[in-house]
Amino acid sequence: GAVVSQHPSRVICKSGTSVKIECRSLDFQATTMFWYRQFPKQSLMLMATSNEGSKATYEQGVEKDKFLINHASLTLSTLTVTSAHPEDSSFYICSARDLATNEQFFGPGTRLTVL
Amino acid sequence: GEDVEQSLFLSVREGDSSVINCTYTDSSSTYLYWYKQEPGAGLQLLTYIFSNMDMKQDQRLTVLLNKKDKHLSLRIADTQTGDSAIYFCAETEGNAGNMLTFGGGTRLMVKP
Repeated sequence: GAVVSQHPSRVICKSGTSVKIECRSLDFQATTMFWYRQFPKQSLMLMATSNEGSKATYEQGVEKDKFLINHASLTLSTLTVTSAHPEDSSFYICSARDLATNEQFFGPGTRLTVL
Repeated sequence: GEDVEQSLFLSVREGDSSVINCTYTDSSSTYLYWYKQEPGAGLQLLTYIFSNMDMKQDQRLTVLLNKKDKHLSLRIADTQTGDSAIYFCAETEGNAGNMLTFGGGTRLMVKP
C-alpha cells in the first residue's frame, strides 16, 4: 500500500522555539494533505487542510500564524509550530490523499514535547 | 457539526469476540472507517464500509452498519492480546479522500 512518512518522529524543544514537521507521500502524489492533532487519551482533531500550490484551509480555532503550513510539492507538506509553548505538546499526524485513487493514507505521527 | 461517539473502554478475554460500537450524527456520511492505534503509534486502517452497505467481513473483522440508526460496529472474532489498542471510528462525506471526523476512540484491553 501507499506510504506516508513523517519527520521527525519525536522532537523535544524549548519553549519559544519553532519546530518544523514534514509529511511526505513516498510513492504517490498528493494534492491534498491533512494535519491532525491528538492530545493524550483523546481523539484526533483536524487542524487544517493543506493544498498543493495554494493556501491551507484552517479549522475554526486553529491559529494560522502559529501553525504555518506549506505544501510546496505534490509529495511534501510541512507544518511549522512557531514559538512553541508547552500547551502545543501533542501528537501531530498527517494524512495524504492519493491524487490517482482518492484514497487517504496516514503518516506514523510526530510527538512534540515543548519544555 | 458532525459528531461521532464511542464508548471509552472495553475489556475482553483472549479468544472471546469483541464488539466496539460507534454512533454518528451526519446523515451525509458516505464512508465509515475503523482505525487501530497502538501505543505511541500512528493510525492503521483496519477496514471501511461504504454507506450503502450493511455488512463487510474481512478475516476476523466484521463491520455492521445500521444507517437508519446511524450505528456502526466492529466485531473482532477470536480476540488476541495483540489486538489491545485504541480503536477509532471515523466518517467522511462526499468522496473517500475528504477530511475525516473521528470518534473519541475505544480502548480495547485483552486479558490472557
